[in-house]
Amino acid sequence: AQKVTQAQTEISVVEKEDVTLDCVYETRDTTYYLFWYKQPPSGELVFLIRRNSFDEQNEISGRYSWNFQKSTSSFNFTITASQVVDSAVYFCALSEAPHRGSTLGRLYFGRGTQLTVWP
Amino acid sequence: DGGITQSPKYLFRKEGQNVTLSCEQNLNHDAMYWYRQDPGQGLRLIYYSQIVNDFQKGDIAEGYSVSREKKESFPLTVTSAQKNPTAFYLCASSIAKVGYTFGSGTRLTVV
Repeated sequence: AQKVTQAQTEISVVEKEDVTLDCVYETRDTTYYLFWYKQPPSGELVFLIRRNSFDEQNEISGRYSWNFQKSTSSFNFTITASQVVDSAVYFCALSEAPHRGSTLGRLYFGRGTQLTVWP
Repeated sequence: DGGITQSPKYLFRKEGQNVTLSCEQNLNHDAMYWYRQDPGQGLRLIYYSQIVNDFQKGDIAEGYSVSREKKESFPLTVTSAQKNPTAFYLCASSIAKVGYTFGSGTRLTVV
């Protein structure tokens, strides 16, 4: 069965600190996708990244970076020089391989990490 | 612009009443999903549909029902059998080459 674990329930940092959000996943599929979403207080889910299981390259986007390691089934997210606007709940998620060619399976979410950045 | 529209944004229900949450997409996505979010619980799957006229139960389907008569629409009915329906409900759709698109959610409160 698929499972996503975000062990950190809440993290508090002071502005300009770096912070890493951990994500560990379980799956028997060889093909899958991993995602990170940001959920601000308004509630909508903001897409941050999708990673294919065959692509283990780390990715950097501005202050955000992701470290994907299949050997440890982890997909960690680092925010460099955090800002108050980064305060939100962050979700890691895993999806099954595409079904019927063009449709994705269901998403499995972790419980989320509440990040608070203090000025 | 293409996207997913959930309505209403806020919904109040009296105990014992059924209510229906609307989810419409104009992205031409085949798959659609309903998730429920409670504080500290993350998002849990209620139902999903990968093709018109077909849907599957998720992890917490009891007390809910859905229909998928049109590709664009996937309404969720919260029945009186759902004992604790107060929650935030998110609808999503997907296609493999793009990923998932989420609506802005409906906050349901039982009064």
